[in-house]
Parts: sequence; C-alpha cells; structure tokens
Amino acid sequence: GAGVSQSPSNKVTEKGKDVELRCDPISGHTALYWYRQSLGQGLEFLIYFQGNSAPDKSGLPSDRFSAERTGGSVSTLTIQRTQQEDSAVYLCASSLVSLLAGGPNEQFFGPGTRLTVL
Amino acid sequence: RKEVEQDPGPFNVPEGATVAFNCTYSNSASQSFFWYRQDCRKEPKLLMSVYSSGNEDGRFTAQLNRASQYISLLIRDSKLSDSATYLCVVTANQAGTALIFGKGTTLSVSS
Repeated sequence: GAGVSQSPSNKVTEKGKDVELRCDPISGHTALYWYRQSLGQGLEFLIYFQGNSAPDKSGLPSDRFSAERTGGSVSTLTIQRTQQEDSAVYLCASSLVSLLAGGPNEQFFGPGTRLTVL
Repeated sequence: RKEVEQDPGPFNVPEGATVAFNCTYSNSASQSFFWYRQDCRKEPKLLMSVYSSGNEDGRFTAQLNRASQYISLLIRDSKLSDSATYLCVVTANQAGTALIFGKGTTLSVSS
C-alpha cells in the first residue's frame, strides 16, 4: 500500500511569509507525528496527534508554528511569518498505535518537505 | 547533557569489517529503544528495536544496558549498502508517543 506522503517536496519562501505543509499518513494509522531536521542536526520532535485526543504540542518551537489534523487523517503544519532559522526538512511520520502492543509501534516516515526561507 | 548522544563518525570501514556504534541516553524513564537508518537525503527507516535481552537480526546485533543507559549496534560483515547514518532513538515518555533522536553516526563502507 501507499506510504506516508508529504507535499510539497520543496518549498522556497521569503522571510515573513506563511507556509503550509501537508502530510497524508498511511491509511488506518491513528498516530501522526511532525519532526524537523536541520542541516547536520538530529530530528527534532514538533507535535503528535493520536486519534481524537488533544495533540501533544510540546515540541513546537514558537507560537508561529501550529498544526491540525482533520478527520483523523491528513495533517497540515503551518508556519507563520517564517524566519531563516525555520529552514529545514520537515518530516511527517505515522504509526499504528495499539494499546495491546504494550509500547510504541514503528513510525513510518514520509519523504519530507525541504523548506528554504530566504 | 544531550538527551541522546552518539559519536557522529564518520566510520570508514572496508567491506567485510565488523563495526560497532554506541549511544548513551539521559532519560532514565525511557522505555523503548530503536536504531533507525537514514540514507543521504532520505527519510529515516526503522532498522531494529532494541530489547533488554539483546537481539539479533541477520548481521545486526543490538544491545541495551539500562543501568548504564547505553545502547549499541554491531554490524558484522559490512556491505557497501550498509553505508548510511544510523540514528539511536529512545522514547521520551512512558506512553512512547514522543521519540528522541540522536544526531546519528555515519558509516561509510568501501570496497
């Protein structure tokens, strides 16, 4: 079946503009995660959605960042008034969370959106 | 102290070599541990989970030492295709909903 898809694959924007990044998780996966990876850095957790529960926003770096997940499927990450330090690859992952599993399930990553803020 | 620390490398080894990567983590509450592999400009993919008793998957062996908060990955009989960055990953909370990624160790296998 199809994996996690993200769009756009590349986005170049000017400082101060707003951007929206989209993630389509694997069908049936209830958990969705957003990460970002800056050049030479590890993955940084941003936000986590699980079913209809309130999202875990603990990783969002500032109030310019927000995300929503409509209908428990597609998610959009919005960055308002972009800054040059927002330039990074934004990765989305999804997993099939089962309480019976007793632990986290494998996260499947999308190919990412490479954001460049000029 | 960084939450997950790895030697960035690069580790340059010939085909057939055995190579070991180490990782330390700071959160004693972490419950689950993984090694992910990331090829250049690609997304990370799960290589293997790491269990307390140690586990093996073909040429790959993972070990966990909870007392020392230390994780290792051993690759035997290295192949050219093993060239990648290996990410040590631990859970940040009991529910395992948040993962903390190390910055990765780069491996380059040459013929």
